[in-house]
Amino acid sequence: EAGVAQSPRYKIIEKRQSVAFWCNPISGHATLYWYQQILGQGPKLLIQFQNNGVVDDSQLPKDRFSAERLKGVDSTLKIQPAKLEDSAVYLCASSRTGTDNEQFFGPGTRLTVL
Amino acid sequence: AQSVAQPEDQVNVAEGNPLTVKCTYSVSGNPYLFWYVQYPNRGLQFLLKYITGDNLVKGSYGFEAEFNKSQTSFHLKKPSALVSDSALYFCAVRDPGFQKLVFGTGTRLLVSP
Repeated sequence: EAGVAQSPRYKIIEKRQSVAFWCNPISGHATLYWYQQILGQGPKLLIQFQNNGVVDDSQLPKDRFSAERLKGVDSTLKIQPAKLEDSAVYLCASSRTGTDNEQFFGPGTRLTVL
Repeated sequence: AQSVAQPEDQVNVAEGNPLTVKCTYSVSGNPYLFWYVQYPNRGLQFLLKYITGDNLVKGSYGFEAEFNKSQTSFHLKKPSALVSDSALYFCAVRDPGFQKLVFGTGTRLLVSP
């Protein structure tokens, strides 16, 4: 089966600009996750969707970050305006419904904010 | 809230020797535990998980992990390391009562020829 797709793979922007990331999960996976991975750290969950509903967005900086999954399949994560500390790899993952299921990760988008 | 600790930033082992990457956790209930591996410029790949049952779990690429409830540990092991095992390894824990999967800070494994 095809894996989780993400684009772009790399993005360089200046601070205060906006940026958007796209994710297409594995077919049939109802749960979709966005993680932020800062260099030298483990992934941190930003937001979790179940179909097109938000399950957990407690660690999403809502003043600048937004995410949507309108049709319960693809998802976009947006940052507006970006700050220097947003430089990180943004990982998308998907899984079948159920907390005992493993997550499958995409290759990530490496964001550099100058 | 659940948490996971990986006490070693880096583990060095010679090819052919056994390896252990340590992980301890803290949850309020019975944990769901996972190991993932990350190669350079790639996303995380699932290795194995413990949900319930046998404390020794076998996973991909010859890796295994032992769940120890009394020590709240879930150490990753492999009997004979390969140079190609060199990567970043993440332990993760989920409290079944919560949706969030919490990752450790990662341990870099270096296998020398």
